[in-house]
Amino acid sequence: TQLLEQSPQFLSIQEGENLTVYCNSSSVFSSLQWYRQEPGEGPVLLVTVVTGGEVKKLKRLTFQFGDARKDSSLHITAAQPGDTGLYLCAGPARGNEKLTFGTGTRLTIIP
Amino acid sequence: EAQVTQNPRYLITVTGKKLTVTCSQNMNHEYMSWYRQDPGLGLRQIYYSMNVEVTDKGDVPEGYKVSRKEKRNFPLILESPSPNQTSLYFCASSLSRSADTQYFGPGTRLTVL
Repeated sequence: TQLLEQSPQFLSIQEGENLTVYCNSSSVFSSLQWYRQEPGEGPVLLVTVVTGGEVKKLKRLTFQFGDARKDSSLHITAAQPGDTGLYLCAGPARGNEKLTFGTGTRLTIIP
Repeated sequence: EAQVTQNPRYLITVTGKKLTVTCSQNMNHEYMSWYRQDPGLGLRQIYYSMNVEVTDKGDVPEGYKVSRKEKRNFPLILESPSPNQTSLYFCASSLSRSADTQYFGPGTRLTVL
């Protein structure tokens, strides 16, 4: 059973469009991390959200942590080809040192 | 430069031939872990270590061993590799716990024939 479900699994859109990807769970997480992974490389952290309802912005990327700390979303405004990659959410379940990753959203931005 | 290194980057081997994938970090991190990444299954944690001589199973530990004799090194050992261990493996480290930022190595692509 996957603790963190990400949707959509694949997303291909034109440059300049907006998009949102989701990370959902039935479990409560003390925090959630978002990573981006490019081909041939390991994931790189984009942001960590900690407080329920928290919103963090990273240039054109907006991350939100759900009020109940069971879900998160990533919104990209005016997508660019450089945003192409695999987006992963991850979190340690409460009282657990194991870090669980979602299955990821593979995003392709078409120039 | 702060980094996590893994070796080898690519490895093709045969069933049953013991192998070790090395992982080293130069950030003085306490927490280290190994993941495998498979299509449709995402990143799954194999083992983690919260400090020297302290290791624990992740979600998919069967068929793997690890050791943490020094803070900087965390090798992954496959005593008798099997084809279902063909995968992309990542080592990661973080300051002190899983909730801290994970720094990943570049990955090791392993094929077991």
